[in-house]
Amino acid sequence: SQTIHQWPATLVQPVGSPLSLECTVEGTSNPNLYWYRQAAGRGLQLLFYSVGIGQISSEVPQNLSASRPQDRQFILSSKKLLLSDSGFYLCAWSGYWNTGELFFGEGSRLTVL
Amino acid sequence: ELKVEQNPLFLSMQEGKNYTIYCNYSTTSDRLYWYRQDPGKSLESLFVLLSNGAVKQEGRLMASLDTKARLSTLHITAAVHDLSATYFCAVDNFGNEKLTFGTGTRLTIIP
Repeated sequence: SQTIHQWPATLVQPVGSPLSLECTVEGTSNPNLYWYRQAAGRGLQLLFYSVGIGQISSEVPQNLSASRPQDRQFILSSKKLLLSDSGFYLCAWSGYWNTGELFFGEGSRLTVL
Repeated sequence: ELKVEQNPLFLSMQEGKNYTIYCNYSTTSDRLYWYRQDPGKSLESLFVLLSNGAVKQEGRLMASLDTKARLSTLHITAAVHDLSATYFCAVDNFGNEKLTFGTGTRLTIIP
């Protein structure tokens, strides 16, 4: 069966510090991968979307970036965090059966102080 | 730009009652999804609706899709406390597998 893992689960970072969140999927190959952000008490905003290694689509201009160095690995990064980057970051994948259903990781809660 | 609206945003209901959450979207799509989120947790997939008139049921929850009206409903029958959560609908924008989520409905079931 397929599983998705994110880490770290929680982090507190000062403004201006770098960020790296990692996500890996197991049990499938060539998944579509996604990074969403959820601000406190709000809905989900799509940040990045990837259909393959090195292929990244950015949905919202911001100081975040994403990379996909391996088929089942998706990384969210920032060189300098802003207060507005605080939120709950969710990695997700969709499979080869083309229903478009997304399966989410456990999430990473980021607080920028 | 695809817009997805849910109502109500907050819903407090007594155990044993029935209620419906509505999800309206602004562009043509025949793919709609419902998710559940418990406080502080990730999203769990509930229903996948892939055609006009699709109806899915699981326990006390039933979801339906009317693509002509651009409307989906999530009906709760005889609510129980365990159903307290935030429910999101999401729409696939022109089948490109990039889901746009509604604002969510926070459901609280009161004993």
